[in-house]
Amino acid sequence: ETGVTQTPRHLVMGMTNKKSLKCEQHLGHNAMYWYKQSAKKPLELMFVYSLEERVENNSVPSRFSPECPNSSHLFLHLHTLQPEDSALYLCASSQDSGWRQSNEQFFGPGTRLTVL
Amino acid sequence: SQQGEEDPQALSIQEGENATMNCSYKTSINNLQWYRQNSGRGLVHLILIRSNEREKHSGRLRVTLDTSKKSSSLLITASRAADTASYFCATVSQGAQKLVFGQGTRLTINP
Repeated sequence: ETGVTQTPRHLVMGMTNKKSLKCEQHLGHNAMYWYKQSAKKPLELMFVYSLEERVENNSVPSRFSPECPNSSHLFLHLHTLQPEDSALYLCASSQDSGWRQSNEQFFGPGTRLTVL
Repeated sequence: SQQGEEDPQALSIQEGENATMNCSYKTSINNLQWYRQNSGRGLVHLILIRSNEREKHSGRLRVTLDTSKKSSSLLITASRAADTASYFCATVSQGAQKLVFGQGTRLTINP
């Protein structure tokens, strides 16, 4: 148990559906992250939030829309996804996002997303 | 381009043996971290080594860092079946605000 929870753990959706992934951290951290992990690819950073402000957006398609209402919660809203978006989506948090910090990240268990 | 690259991509050893995994990177770093991932699960942080450190230990784990060669190694001693997992190195470049992960080494410990 890392102190980061994700729901749902598994999600199957059609290309026309709208769904949301939820992440919650109970560690009092200031930074939260969304990653995408596809088979045979390195972990891809999607978004970084620091103190509820987005500080990084790695050229992610607009069909992925993040939301950070407070420092403990992070959402990833999904709409009109493609089959190639099927992957494990991981949420993580760290005390701070700045590189001067020892920014060890704590990961949630992930949401396995399948787009039909 | 990808920062960390692990070597080998896959490693299979007998229980009780030592496992060594290597990581190379390209740019100057602030720190380097190793993570473990069991199949289909989230990553678990194992150890962090700063750019001014050369070696670090944590239980059965030993990490070395050679900044002149831009490389790091993770040694797991007296391996156990429960060590079966993928291991990733991740670097924080100076001036950056994010971890960049390598593709990982898939370690299998045979009982």
